[in-house]
Amino acid sequence: DTGVSQDPRHKITKRGQNVTFRCDPISEHNRLYWYRQTLGQGPEFLTYFQNEAQLEKSRLLSDRFSAERPKGSFSTLEIQRTEQGDSAMYLCASSSTPTQYFGAGTRLSVL
Amino acid sequence: GQQLNQSPQSMFIQEGEDVSMNCTSSSIFNTWLWYKQDPGEGPVLLIALYKAGELTSNGRLTAQFGITRKDSFLNISASIPSDVGIYFCAGLNYGGSQGNLIFGKGTKLSVKP
Repeated sequence: DTGVSQDPRHKITKRGQNVTFRCDPISEHNRLYWYRQTLGQGPEFLTYFQNEAQLEKSRLLSDRFSAERPKGSFSTLEIQRTEQGDSAMYLCASSSTPTQYFGAGTRLSVL
Repeated sequence: GQQLNQSPQSMFIQEGEDVSMNCTSSSIFNTWLWYKQDPGEGPVLLIALYKAGELTSNGRLTAQFGITRKDSFLNISASIPSDVGIYFCAGLNYGGSQGNLIFGKGTKLSVKP
């Protein structure tokens, strides 16, 4: 399968814990995006990498959130000191053209 | 954050019916994308539009990029049960340091009881 891969698919954590998600983009894609989606809404942009450079961050990305893309390959999104409001689907997408292809997402539940 | 106006919010379909949905924005875009999302899954790309006025088909799906660059529509002909799901439009201004998609809230397609 050469699509965008996200791990884990589901994560349940207690409030205050740290969590980390991983995204493996389509191999030839130089751009990688993170989005967050809550129930009944469309995905909302969090941050974006071109190769290893993080080019843009949304104001939704609070200080508790950090993303990395070492060597311009896979990316990780870490949330520190999780809050109940962080419960959402976290989606990763990649592209080399205007068209973005999404992974299956990581569903985070903060208890 | 900024979102597109997508309508209708929901609709019921009977097998064989044609379906239309549209998306409008106060801002112009140079790319429009349409996605379908099933429960618990990520959005799957249906159609990509790159030029104002462009009309593109993918099987029973047809989408158009509005001339004003502020709107797009998606038609599904002869709907079948597997068309059920949530359809999202997304606008993009590709190039430079920006690249994020702006999404509508979705149109939920359900089967008529």
